[in-house]
Amino acid sequence: AQKVTQAQTEISVVEKEDVTLDCVYETRDTTYYLFWYKQPPSGELVFLIRRNSFDEQNEISGRYSWNFQKSTSSFNFTITASQVVDSAVYFCALSEAVDSNYQLIWGAGTKLIIKP
Amino acid sequence: DAGVIQSPRHEVTEMGQEVTLRCKPISGHNSLFWYRQTMMRGLELLIYFNNNVPIDDSGMPEDRFSAKMPNASFSTLKIQPSEPRDSAVYFCASSLAPTGGLETQYFGPGTRLLVL
Repeated sequence: AQKVTQAQTEISVVEKEDVTLDCVYETRDTTYYLFWYKQPPSGELVFLIRRNSFDEQNEISGRYSWNFQKSTSSFNFTITASQVVDSAVYFCALSEAVDSNYQLIWGAGTKLIIKP
Repeated sequence: DAGVIQSPRHEVTEMGQEVTLRCKPISGHNSLFWYRQTMMRGLELLIYFNNNVPIDDSGMPEDRFSAKMPNASFSTLKIQPSEPRDSAVYFCASSLAPTGGLETQYFGPGTRLLVL
């Protein structure tokens, strides 16, 4: 069955620290997609990244980086030199390309607090 | 480019009243999704349209909820009659129709509904 686990309910770090948000997924299919979204205190859901199951290259975008490891079914997200503006709830999501009915399976989210 | 537009942003109503939420998807997108977010249940997909046709409404909680998409640039989610347990943030999202894979969903700012 499809499932996304974000075991860290809340993480609190001091500004400029690096922080990693964990995401572990379960799927039956060999073709699937993984996503990260950010939900800041203002409430909107902001798309950060999409990764397909055939692309295991790590991605870096500024201070953000993503580590996709099929062997451990993980798609972790690291923020380097965190800033207060990074404070948000971060969601990991999974979709299977076959029979998914285009539904995203969402993790419960990790609340990230960056203290000044 | 304009993102997904939702209105109203906030709605306070009394139990038993009709509530209509509106969404304008990103121009050129032909898949539209309605979600509900609560603390208890997280993000739930209510209904999904493709090319203005409802494809999956299995997430619609009950007959009090209805959704329409009369054209490619407009959708409504209606609750009649509303109940306090309908209080939540309602998100609309849109994406390009998948072409061999799931396209990224882009979310609107949400409508925060409070039913007294």
